[in-house]
Amino acid sequence: DAKTTQPNSMESNEEEPVHLPCNHSTISGTDYIHWYRQLPSQGPEYVIHGLTSNVNNRMASLAIAEDRKSSTLILHRATLRDAAVYYCILNSNSGYALNFGKGTSLLVTP
Amino acid sequence: DVKVTQSSRYLVKRTGEKVFLECVQDMDHENMFWYRQDPGLGLRLIYFSYDVKMKEKGDIPEGYSVSREKKERFSLILESASTNQTSMYLCASSFLPFGDRGGYTFGSGTRLTVV
Repeated sequence: DAKTTQPNSMESNEEEPVHLPCNHSTISGTDYIHWYRQLPSQGPEYVIHGLTSNVNNRMASLAIAEDRKSSTLILHRATLRDAAVYYCILNSNSGYALNFGKGTSLLVTP
Repeated sequence: DVKVTQSSRYLVKRTGEKVFLECVQDMDHENMFWYRQDPGLGLRLIYFSYDVKMKEKGDIPEGYSVSREKKERFSLILESASTNQTSMYLCASSFLPFGDRGGYTFGSGTRLTVV
């Protein structure tokens, strides 16, 4: 699977939008972009995924660059509960297993 | 609303013991996975299974084995526990293929301490 690059950490104020970037310059045409997050002392949880078009769900939005070499996870109004490690992962539709990198540790301050 | 259940949240075992970690999912997923997570090393894949009785090695299979006799259950076995296997163990499941069918569902994890 192609690799992703994320900042080690980011900080946000509560109730403000958060944009978490991910670079994946070697992405192939069949790679889906997946985002997970891991709250302290819990297993990771699925957030959102997409292929080419921007995606929205109840948790977040995923904005995918036109050339697909980068993407951004958008939390529209950060809450203290959103403090977590966020992982950006690529996987092809035929892939079996995800390789988790180090992710971005998001700190949300009141 | 729990969908992936790991049998124990915390476990303490002695060096040399045979340890079984159980994972059950109720979503009819084909894929099941075992990861371990250590500070500074992230999640590392131990084994996965894409069908009953099928298994594939992940990145760090040494010292572990797995069993999948039923679709919903995936067991991780530490043949002879050692202190370097002290870790958080996470089970996950997914559809196959899953590129466009959502992603993994993880269990809450088992924190294993080997003394």
